[in-house]
Amino acid sequence: GAVVSQHPSRVICKSGTSVKIECRSLDFQATTMFWYRQFPKQSLMLMATSNEGSKATYEQGVEKDKFLINHASLTLSTLTVTSAHPEDSSFYICSARWGNSGVEAFFGQGTRLTVV
Amino acid sequence: GQQVMQIPQYQHVQEGEDFTTYCNSSTTLSNIQWYKQRPGGHPVFLIQLVKSGEVKKQKRLTFQFGEAKKNSSLHITATQTTDVGTYFCAGNTDYKLSFGAGTTVTVRA
Repeated sequence: GAVVSQHPSRVICKSGTSVKIECRSLDFQATTMFWYRQFPKQSLMLMATSNEGSKATYEQGVEKDKFLINHASLTLSTLTVTSAHPEDSSFYICSARWGNSGVEAFFGQGTRLTVV
Repeated sequence: GQQVMQIPQYQHVQEGEDFTTYCNSSTTLSNIQWYKQRPGGHPVFLIQLVKSGEVKKQKRLTFQFGEAKKNSSLHITATQTTDVGTYFCAGNTDYKLSFGAGTTVTVRA
């Protein structure tokens, strides 16, 4: 299957700082990328959907000013956690797909964020 | 907004037995996808169902999509230790993919 690379896989940051997570589709053009947050032993909570060249659509309850998403090209989307707090510590995972709903999504490896 | 509910959350299965996990959406779906996530890994696509009433099989796994395209099920027969992990259904509307809570499967040898 297609490859989605997410970087970094782990990051530890201090409270109040910002962290950027990258999601790249390596062998296909991702018209849509999704960002999820996953708590231990829980499901993937959709945070936002981004389409290349347009603003991301955030799910209810997700602060768009805190979780900045940029989908500047067909192969790269970034999630920036601004002014991170310990409660932002979580597993963040991106997925990408080409086209609309009729195709599978390919997932990155995920990023374990720890805010201290 | 769209909600996808999945039960049971946990499934402890004796090796060789069968089990089923169920998925229900609050809205009609364009299609539904199933993923498997192994411990420590990321979700991996298993299958997609598109048509009303569709049934697909992958070896010991049988996937069904309801007539109203609002519910789905995954049935695994003769469970093996390689089946451990969390199985997620994901409901698709035209612009987003929303996941159910997942069913975490453990197998007793």
